[in-house]
Amino acid sequence: DQQVKQNSPSLSVQEGRISILNCDYTNSMFDYFLWYKKYPAEGPTFLISISSIKDKNEDGRFTVFLNKSAKHLSLHIVPSQPGDSAVYFCAASKNTGGFKTIFGAGTRLFVKA
Amino acid sequence: SQTIHQWPATLVQPVGSPLSLECTVEGTSNPNLYWYRQAAGRGLQLLFYSVGIGQISSEVPQNLSASRPQDRQFILSSKKLLLSDSGFYLCAWNPGLRTDTQYFGPGTRLTVL
Repeated sequence: DQQVKQNSPSLSVQEGRISILNCDYTNSMFDYFLWYKKYPAEGPTFLISISSIKDKNEDGRFTVFLNKSAKHLSLHIVPSQPGDSAVYFCAASKNTGGFKTIFGAGTRLFVKA
Repeated sequence: SQTIHQWPATLVQPVGSPLSLECTVEGTSNPNLYWYRQAAGRGLQLLFYSVGIGQISSEVPQNLSASRPQDRQFILSSKKLLLSDSGFYLCAWNPGLRTDTQYFGPGTRLTVL
């Protein structure tokens, strides 16, 4: 039962252009949605999040959009930089007393110089 | 500031041998603690989470167990490893208040032969 889905395993983008990573979820009870960035052989690092009561959150080059009716969120990176090349995980959490978080399978982003 | 430690960084174990992975968090008290596994080419699978000493929630039936003997210590164990236990194991924590962000350790690469 995949509650959080990232259907694109990889994405290649030219430096300076926009990267758009997509994520779909099935459970309307999630409270927060998050994006994490992961380099090989390291733990994921938090990138940006959005509450289920909002539809947009922006932090520098990173913007997350939430479409609750479609159960869809996306991460926009503008402009993309080679250092952005990593695996990006979409995650959704609900407060069960421990903020249980469900992760997607990840999308590997390649930013070409 | 808070830091999270995991050890060992890498481990190669024969099938049928026991396992003990340790995770400790510094600089915070009463954190929520999590164990995840990332199998090759796959996303992060939540294995266990804990909201307090001795309180463990298991997310998937498996060959592994977890314990929390101290507030900031989380241990992942197995009595007999299987080949399918190979993967990248990540420990994470969050403050356990109204926050969703999790902070990950550096991970342990486990190879079962």
